[in-house]
Amino acid sequence: DAGVIQSPRHEVTEMGQEVTLRCKPISGHNSLFWYRQTMMRGLELLIYFNNNVPIDDSGMPEDRFSAKMPNASFSTLKIQPSEPRDSAVYFCASTFQGRNTIYFGEGSWLTVV
Amino acid sequence: KQEVTQIPAALSVPEGENLVLNCSFTDSAIYNLQWFRQDPGKGLTSLLLIQSSQREQTSGRLNASLDKSSGRSTLYIAASQPGDSATYLCAVFDRGSTLGRLYFGRGTQLTVWP
Repeated sequence: DAGVIQSPRHEVTEMGQEVTLRCKPISGHNSLFWYRQTMMRGLELLIYFNNNVPIDDSGMPEDRFSAKMPNASFSTLKIQPSEPRDSAVYFCASTFQGRNTIYFGEGSWLTVV
Repeated sequence: KQEVTQIPAALSVPEGENLVLNCSFTDSAIYNLQWFRQDPGKGLTSLLLIQSSQREQTSGRLNASLDKSSGRSTLYIAASQPGDSATYLCAVFDRGSTLGRLYFGRGTQLTVWP
């Protein structure tokens, strides 16, 4: 299996622009996580889907952030409008049934200037 | 709320040493605990998963133990090598929320020099 696939790997954008991050989980996994990693705060869970349904979105920082999972093989995390403080590495991860070994993608490195 | 702490934050050792990395968590009601490795500019790679009913797991030179009652886990690395240099994170799946929620420590940054 190719693992969890994220795109883009790197993005530099101007403040106010819309950013869309994409994730393809491992085939057969039914739980998907979006995390954000910064030096200041470490790894933070943004949202957690199970069977394509958002279960826990308490980590989504504000209304500028939204996430969707239209089917079992694709998820997006959107930031609109983006701000410099959103600069971070955004990781997507997947597992089966939420509590087994979790597999991470390589991350999307976002810089908002 | 579950809190996960890792000590030390950084560790620098010569090649060949045996190492112990520590992880503690505040709520013992967990499903499992996982140890991850993160290389610079990369994602996290799962090393070991210990279920709440287990005491330890081993993979090659790595051995992880779990003492759920005291809220502690250790990752033992035998005969360390420069290729082991990375950040090691522990994470617990908490029973307190629906379907579980993974809480991460801040990691231990390990440098093994030749």
